[in-house]
Amino acid sequence: SQQGEEDPQALSIQEGENATMNCSYKTSINNLQWYRQNSGRGLVHLILIRSNEREKHSGRLRVTLDTSKKSSSLLITASRAADTASYFCATDLIQGAQKLVFGQGTRLTINP
Amino acid sequence: DVKVTQSSRYLVKRTGEKVFLECVQDMDHENMFWYRQDPGLGLRLIYFSYDVKMKEKGDIPEGYSVSREKKERFSLILESASTNQTSMYLCASSLFTGGYQPQHFGDGTRLSIL
Repeated sequence: SQQGEEDPQALSIQEGENATMNCSYKTSINNLQWYRQNSGRGLVHLILIRSNEREKHSGRLRVTLDTSKKSSSLLITASRAADTASYFCATDLIQGAQKLVFGQGTRLTINP
Repeated sequence: DVKVTQSSRYLVKRTGEKVFLECVQDMDHENMFWYRQDPGLGLRLIYFSYDVKMKEKGDIPEGYSVSREKKERFSLILESASTNQTSMYLCASSLFTGGYQPQHFGDGTRLSIL
């Protein structure tokens, strides 16, 4: 069964607005990672947050992690049309030995 | 930058054929992975490898095998292709460091079995 569940499954916003995507998981993790996938392409790593971290920033990206609620969120600020893509969370399980378990993804559309 | 190259972007094969999907990475990564991606199901791990000649089953290994004769190359084999193996196949690699490493993906092979 899938470890990570993203919410919402699809999100459509206007350019310049902020986009927030959420991820929930079931078992204890070493770290949680977010990836982006443009249509028809492979996944690209965006950011990694360790289990002992609560928040991390990278450019226009902000990731939070709440291990007590087993959830994470990805915030993209000041969205651009080029941010249109699918976004996946992936969990590195403590017992998983470097395997990642991916959620089903959020399809983000930025309207110009 | 890490480059993961998959041999074909698109591939069409017939039911019952033996199909080989090739993946090569250029950054001396120990770990390599094969996933399939289907709408509504996300990415599912088929097989992975931590070292040359080493392989471990992922979540959906049935109908597939793998080969890793050289560190940089990881091949996925469909022993007798079936229509339910029509999918997008993604290869990835990462460093072996005990965790905390991102995976680097190829652009995928969209495989159609007729």
